[in-house]
Formats: sequence, structure tokens, C-alpha cells
Amino acid sequence: SQQGEEDPQALSIQEGENATMNCSYKTSINNLQWYRQNSGRGLVHLILIRSNEREKHSGRLRVTLDTSKKSSSLLITASRAADTASYFCATAAADSSYKLIFGSGTRLLVRP
Amino acid sequence: GAGVSQSPSNKVTEKGKDVELRCDPISGHTALYWYRQSLGQGLEFLIYFQGNSAPDKSGLPSDRFSAERTGGSVSTLTIQRTQQEDSAVYLCASSLNGAFFGQGTRLTVV
Repeated sequence: SQQGEEDPQALSIQEGENATMNCSYKTSINNLQWYRQNSGRGLVHLILIRSNEREKHSGRLRVTLDTSKKSSSLLITASRAADTASYFCATAAADSSYKLIFGSGTRLLVRP
Repeated sequence: GAGVSQSPSNKVTEKGKDVELRCDPISGHTALYWYRQSLGQGLEFLIYFQGNSAPDKSGLPSDRFSAERTGGSVSTLTIQRTQQEDSAVYLCASSLNGAFFGQGTRLTVV
């Protein structure tokens, strides 16, 4: 079964607004990663946050991690139509295997 | 090449036939993953290779599925006696610090 679960499943916002996506997971992790998938197949790695980190920034992306709640959020500020994509969180288990398990994703639509 | 390469990009096969999917990871990446993604769905973990350790095969859906990684580099995913429910995009990723994905193989079983 999948480790991470994102919500919402789908999100539609106006260009310029902020988009927030959440991810919950079940077991202890080494790190949590966010990926983007445009229509088609390629997934692009966006950001990695380690279990001992609480917040990380990359450009217009801000990721938070709350290990006590086993949850993470991805915030995209000042969204653009080009941000339209599916966003997935993925967790790497805390054991030595570092197996990467993906959630079901959030489909983001940014309306121009 | 600089990225993860998968071949073929598309494969149409008849039910009952065997198929072999190939993944060329990024040089130097010790971890390699195979995932399956059905239309509009998330990524389903299949198998994970890490260096010389025994692979984690816990995601393989049945004994018709197998994978190997030769010399710690190229990997092949084999599906025997394909079924229609095997139709999906099969994605390979290699990782050092964050996974890099190939463009996938779209498998259609007719």
C-alpha cells in the first residue's frame, strides 16, 4: 500500500495565488521528497527535506515537515499557469533500505 | 547520456506474451527503482536495487514479474505471460540524492 497520501486530490487556483498541498505518511522516514509530473510521463525532483529539518525553500517552493504529525506541506507562491501539473510526495523509509514510496498525488490547475 | 534512459518508449504486446523493459540509470547512481503508473493514478512501487544488496522485491504484484540489475548498472524488468491489467506506464528512476526518472515505457497489452 502507498505510504504517502496527498490532499487535496485536485486543486484549481487563479494565476498569482498560492497553492498548498499536503502529504501524510505512516511510518518513520529518513527524508521526504516532492516531485512534479507534467502531462506525459516525466517526473521531476523538486525538493528533499530530511527528517531533522522543519522547513526548506527553493525559489517559489516552500516545504514544511512535521514528523510528530507525520505530515508535510508544499507551498507554491505566486503560481503560474506553467505550474499546472501533478505533484507527488515520496518518503524514504528510516531503515537502511531508503525505499522511496510515492503518494497518490495532487492535480494542480493554475488558471491564467 | 546525462539522464535515465528507458526503452522501448512504447510497447504493444499480445496477451500471454513476455515483455522485457530496459533501464539505463545515471552513471554512478547506486540506487535504482521501478514503478508502475496506471492512467491518472499515483506511482506503485515495484522493486528497488541498492548497490550490491539484495533487491527489495516487495512491490512486485505477482511471480510473473521479475527484474535484474547487471553489474550495478543497466536493469531489465521482465513481465511473463502478460495480462491486460499489466497495461501501464513503467517508470525507472536512479538516485543518489533525490530520484531522477526516465520517461517511462508505456505498455499496452491487447
